Amino acid sequence: DAGVIQSPRHEVTEMGQEVTLRCKPISGHDYLFWYRQTMMRGLELLIYFNNNVPIDDSGMPEDRFSAKMPNASFSTLKIQPSEPRDSAVYFCASSGDWALKFFGPGTRLTVL
Amino acid sequence: GQNIDQPTEMTATEGAIVQINCTYQTSGFNGLFWYQQHAGEAPTFLSYNVLDGLEEKGRFSSFLSRSKGYSYLLLKELQMKDSASYLCAVRLYNNNDMRFGAGTRLTVKP
Repeated sequence: DAGVIQSPRHEVTEMGQEVTLRCKPISGHDYLFWYRQTMMRGLELLIYFNNNVPIDDSGMPEDRFSAKMPNASFSTLKIQPSEPRDSAVYFCASSGDWALKFFGPGTRLTVL
Repeated sequence: GQNIDQPTEMTATEGAIVQINCTYQTSGFNGLFWYQQHAGEAPTFLSYNVLDGLEEKGRFSSFLSRSKGYSYLLLKELQMKDSASYLCAVRLYNNNDMRFGAGTRLTVKP
């Protein structure tokens, strides 16, 4: 298996623009997580899905953030409109029954 | 709320032993994970404890005391490549919810 795949790896955009981050989890994993990592706040859970259904989105900062998982092999995290304070590394992770998370390589987002 | 505390930074010498502590106060507990994260890379799994005691895996060991809300990661025979951040994470419930500490940045010096 190729592991968790994320795209793009780097994204630079201007304030106010829409940003879409993509994730393909490991095949057979029932759980998918979106995390954000910054120097100030560390690794924060934004939202996670179980069998494509959002279970806990309490970590989503505000209405500008939305996440979808239309099928077992794809998820998106969208920010609209983006702001400079959204600059961070966004990780997608997946796991099966045992709860061990496998992280993707991350998307480094810079909002100017 | 969920509190997971780790030292921010540590420094150690190549070949030595270092212990990284983690204390937690969470609304649930169903296991504790340690991850390693090199700069610019994703976290990777190191160890997992669900019962009290020591788990050994090569140069790395992890200890858990549930009654004290305490864990540590022990790294032996330190190598330069061990310079990284080490993240403590608590699995809260059976539904895979997990919270991470801020991480401890370890620098190994020659």
